[in-house]
Amino acid sequence: NAGVTQTPKFQVLKTGQSMTLQCAQDMNHNSMYWYRQDPGMGLRLIYYSASEGTTDKGEVPNGYNVSRLNKREFSLRLESAAPSQTSVYFCASSGTRNTNTEAFFGQGTRLTVV
Amino acid sequence: AQTVTQSQPEMSVQEAETVTLSCTYDTSESNYYLFWYKQPPSRQMILVIRQEAYKQQNATENRFSVNFQKAAKSFSLKISDSQLGDTAMYFCAFSYGGSQGNLIFGKGTKLSVKP
Repeated sequence: NAGVTQTPKFQVLKTGQSMTLQCAQDMNHNSMYWYRQDPGMGLRLIYYSASEGTTDKGEVPNGYNVSRLNKREFSLRLESAAPSQTSVYFCASSGTRNTNTEAFFGQGTRLTVV
Repeated sequence: AQTVTQSQPEMSVQEAETVTLSCTYDTSESNYYLFWYKQPPSRQMILVIRQEAYKQQNATENRFSVNFQKAAKSFSLKISDSQLGDTAMYFCAFSYGGSQGNLIFGKGTKLSVKP
């Protein structure tokens, strides 16, 4: 099993450009999450999807949009990138119908906005 | 507001010795989970240990154990027989809303294990 797969692993954007970070999980998890990690800080929740067809804001949602494409895939979109969005982004998934599991994380995407 | 505080930005320990990382949290929820995650230089987030708040018994996983003091809202991690591979950032985290993936993280403790 691959677990949680994020693409790309690295990206450099110019201010104002848009991009979509992709995430897929093969563990049949119901819930998926996007976090960002800034230097000297722990991860902070951007958006989450408790189940297919639902999305909710986390702690730091401004400047982002998400799409739960199907049960496996959860994408994060930056419509107009800003230098403040330079960060490492993590996707995670958790929980099946019968089991409230811990979160499993992807390997992260390092995004630099110049 | 729910918060997680790690008061030790950096710690070091000699190989084979024991080290304890501190964590306190604040919440009004009665049912929640607490976690310690390890982040090595590869930046992969690895679950070290998990504690369910309703369980009084402290969780253990091989060389890793926790001291969970619910009334004091304290959740420390003890690493015994430290190994060079334990060198990493360690994050304490708290889950809310019934899901183990809705996490609030502390700022982390950078642990260095010295030979």
